[in-house]
Amino acid sequence: KAGVTQTPRYLIKTRGQQVTLSCSPISGHRSVSWYQQTPGQGLQFLFEYFSETQRNKGNFPGRFSGRQFSNSRSEMNVSTLELGDSALYLCASSPEGNVGYTFGSGTRLTVV
Amino acid sequence: QQQVKQSPQSLIVQKGGISIINCAYENTAFDYFPWYQQFPGKGPALLIAIRPDVSEKKEGRFTISFNKSAKQFSLHIMDSQPGDSATYFCAAATTSGTYKYIFGTGTRLKVLA
Repeated sequence: KAGVTQTPRYLIKTRGQQVTLSCSPISGHRSVSWYQQTPGQGLQFLFEYFSETQRNKGNFPGRFSGRQFSNSRSEMNVSTLELGDSALYLCASSPEGNVGYTFGSGTRLTVV
Repeated sequence: QQQVKQSPQSLIVQKGGISIINCAYENTAFDYFPWYQQFPGKGPALLIAIRPDVSEKKEGRFTISFNKSAKQFSLHIMDSQPGDSATYFCAAATTSGTYKYIFGTGTRLKVLA
């Protein structure tokens, strides 16, 4: 059974640019959540999607957005990148909700 | 109320020793408490989880102890091995309604050979 796949693994962007990250959940999992991981703030919840609907959102500015497609694949977009957006972005999937998360290996975003 | 406080920040244990990591929470609505293990360059992987209706859960060398009245839970790693060297995160979640985990700040464990 394939795990959670995140692409790309590494990304370098310039301040002011925008970026799109992709997540393919485990087959059959309908819930996809996104987290930002930084050394200073730890793992912080961004948002959760279930059946193409955003069910919950964390305390991040509107520059962070996401969506989920009918095949449960999800994308996360960050516009007008800032240096502080440099982080490991993790996607996690679960069958129905927040029990039994499986994380991907993440996308390491560096903003220069 | 949404915080999960984790300690210690780092831990060094001799091979064969017991590693103990503690977490405390405030929100009594939390009803699911998982522990995750993360190696460098990898995403967190679920290690073991507990519900508040039991006080202890054991899986191999890993044990969660849960104290509902104190709102605390801990991870015990028995017979710690160098391969256990990783960062460990506790988390708390409600299984209805909010659908998000609140993670502790992590404990970097190093097991000396």
